[in-house]
Amino acid sequence: NFMLTQPHSVSESPGKTVTISCTRSSGSIASNYVQWYQQRPGSAPTTVIYEDNQRPSGVPDRFSGSIDSSSNSASLTISGLKTEDEADYYCQSYDSSNAVFGGGTKLTVL
Amino acid sequence: QLQLQESGPGLVKPSETLSLTCTVSGGSISSSSYYWGWIRQPPGKGLEWIGSIYYSGSTYYNPSLKSRVTISVDTSKNQFSLKLSSVTAADTAVYYCARLRVDYYGYGYYFDYWGQGTLVTVSS
Repeated sequence: NFMLTQPHSVSESPGKTVTISCTRSSGSIASNYVQWYQQRPGSAPTTVIYEDNQRPSGVPDRFSGSIDSSSNSASLTISGLKTEDEADYYCQSYDSSNAVFGGGTKLTVL
Repeated sequence: QLQLQESGPGLVKPSETLSLTCTVSGGSISSSSYYWGWIRQPPGKGLEWIGSIYYSGSTYYNPSLKSRVTISVDTSKNQFSLKLSSVTAADTAVYYCARLRVDYYGYGYYFDYWGQGTLVTVSS
């Protein structure tokens, strides 16, 4: 099976843009959809991006997702940062119904 | 609105079997469009997929847990269950149940609805 590697933490100021990466260890990042989940303390994860770049209804368009085959990675970009975006973010993909999560990235908005 | 609710003991002794049930309301567990899965999160750590099940009973397990995990489904009760045997303190975690959408190839790929999670502590 493969692994998904994320930076442990990122920080940025309100109003700025931040990008969180998620690198797949083996196999093509493009071969299976990538999802991104936001988790605030004490709460269950919620989806901010699914199928690489799709936003569920209710998720603001400040959140966007992409994949880059050259680096075999996916990215979550949050623009116009708000303090409410401070949370843990997890990427997730799969291989034949075996789900894999990245280790998570703590986003600090300061 | 679909809802998932985990239930089961919050404290399990080492070497015993952890048993949890997820009750699905607001939708049918027998839909061909979804898998149903378990995910856990140790305190202060990341998410770990445990396994998934289709309404027909077809299962997929995390290879690192496969020897200790059994997931089953009861369509008559709209529930699915998790059993994890021979638990140790390392199995202390918040356990979530979730629904997975099925992709074009029939693979469960995207957790779109989650339960609130339940903390299970392994301790004597």
